[in-house]
Amino acid sequence: DIVMTQTPLSLSVTPGQPASISCKSSQSLLHSDGRTYLYWYLQKPGQSPQLLIYEVSSRFSGVPDRFSGSGSGTDFTLKISRVEAGDVGVYYCMQGIHPVTFGGGTKVEIK
Amino acid sequence: QVQLVQSGAEVKKPGASVKVSCKASGYTFTSYDISWVRQAPGQGLEWMGWISAYNGNTNYAQKLQGRVTMTTDTSTSTAYMELRSLRSDDTAVYYCASGSSFEYWGQGTLVTVSS
Repeated sequence: DIVMTQTPLSLSVTPGQPASISCKSSQSLLHSDGRTYLYWYLQKPGQSPQLLIYEVSSRFSGVPDRFSGSGSGTDFTLKISRVEAGDVGVYYCMQGIHPVTFGGGTKVEIK
Repeated sequence: QVQLVQSGAEVKKPGASVKVSCKASGYTFTSYDISWVRQAPGQGLEWMGWISAYNGNTNYAQKLQGRVTMTTDTSTSTAYMELRSLRSDDTAVYYCASGSSFEYWGQGTLVTVSS
């Protein structure tokens, strides 16, 4: 199975400041169909996960453009340009090549 | 709008089975696959498997093979996940998610396995 490693484990951010989360996969996520199956989710406290980014860099409907995804192959990054109070929670990366696996999560809190 | 509504919390004894439902609305049920993901208390997310709502094809996580069955009822737009031979480490919140990117999630169902 593909192992997904997220860093850091936790992040404390001042509102208005940027934040960045790294996700590395043990194998390339570039599929033979030319697509890269890397996703980002946010699980706010007490809620279900919600999709933020699909296929590395495409924002899901309704996701603010403060959130951006980048990367290729085995190295990926989620960036929040200006953190807001409502961005707190645990961020997970996920790879979609069978079998699906998730990163361990990065907890983001506000300073 | 797309909604996935799951069945309520369950308490089961070790060795028993549980069946969790996930009723979809707001879209054509057969258009999106349904995946199941679980989260043990205080832990991360674990993918359990996937079912095509179009033709019923399934793909299960290897560690659950033989204990899990995913089904759908297209007449009621409902997906089901049955887990058998429950153990204490199956205690978790179980989520259904629809779409190839897991675009939409249910609210979660807490399954507690305890003697």
